Amino acid sequence: GNSVTQMEGPVTLSEEAFLTINCTYTATGYPSLFWYVQYPGEGLQLLLKATKADDKGSNKGFEATYRKETTSFHLEKGSVQVSDSAVYFCALVQTGGFKTIFGAGTRLFVKA
Amino acid sequence: EPEVTQTPSHQVTQMGQEVILRCVPISNHLYFYWYRQILGQKVEFLVSFYNNEISEKSEIFDDQFSVERPDGSNFTLKIRSTKLEDSAMYFCASSYLSGGPGGYTFGSGTRLTVV
Repeated sequence: GNSVTQMEGPVTLSEEAFLTINCTYTATGYPSLFWYVQYPGEGLQLLLKATKADDKGSNKGFEATYRKETTSFHLEKGSVQVSDSAVYFCALVQTGGFKTIFGAGTRLFVKA
Repeated sequence: EPEVTQTPSHQVTQMGQEVILRCVPISNHLYFYWYRQILGQKVEFLVSFYNNEISEKSEIFDDQFSVERPDGSNFTLKIRSTKLEDSAMYFCASSYLSGGPGGYTFGSGTRLTVV
């Protein structure tokens, strides 16, 4: 069945460090891929998305590229800030499907 | 920016009681969802709802659960005879299109504690 695997956290970085959170998926066909972010005490917010191979989603300095050949959608940011501290979820939706399948989430701590 | 609103933000209930979690989706959205997140665990799909009927549900969504869109704005999740293991954060979401490619808009969640 469809699944999403992302790197375990927590990830602890200093401010201005480079961030990578790995995400790989298993799915038939061409799913849509997403990153959601959950700040402390809040709900899930859509961070970025990509709907087909080689698409790059970007938002707030974060980027992720849909790699069909490696079934990956790694999240990157060139220079993290303390305010980026949150839990990040990689997710997919099968084409024509209704449900989103989430990874386990990766908690990011950014120190000043 | 339009929001999905969930009430209450926190509900404490006794085991065996019924609870209703309420959601107001974004007004022009057509698809509605419930997800739950047990503390420290994955976000899990419960059910999707479109055109006044369930379009998909997970194995978790058994006879204990039901959903309803009682009027043009609210979307509710009812849990009958709550169990301790129903304690979780419950998220409502809505979308204009089904699932992808747009992604969802999620509410802030209702934390349900069953004691």
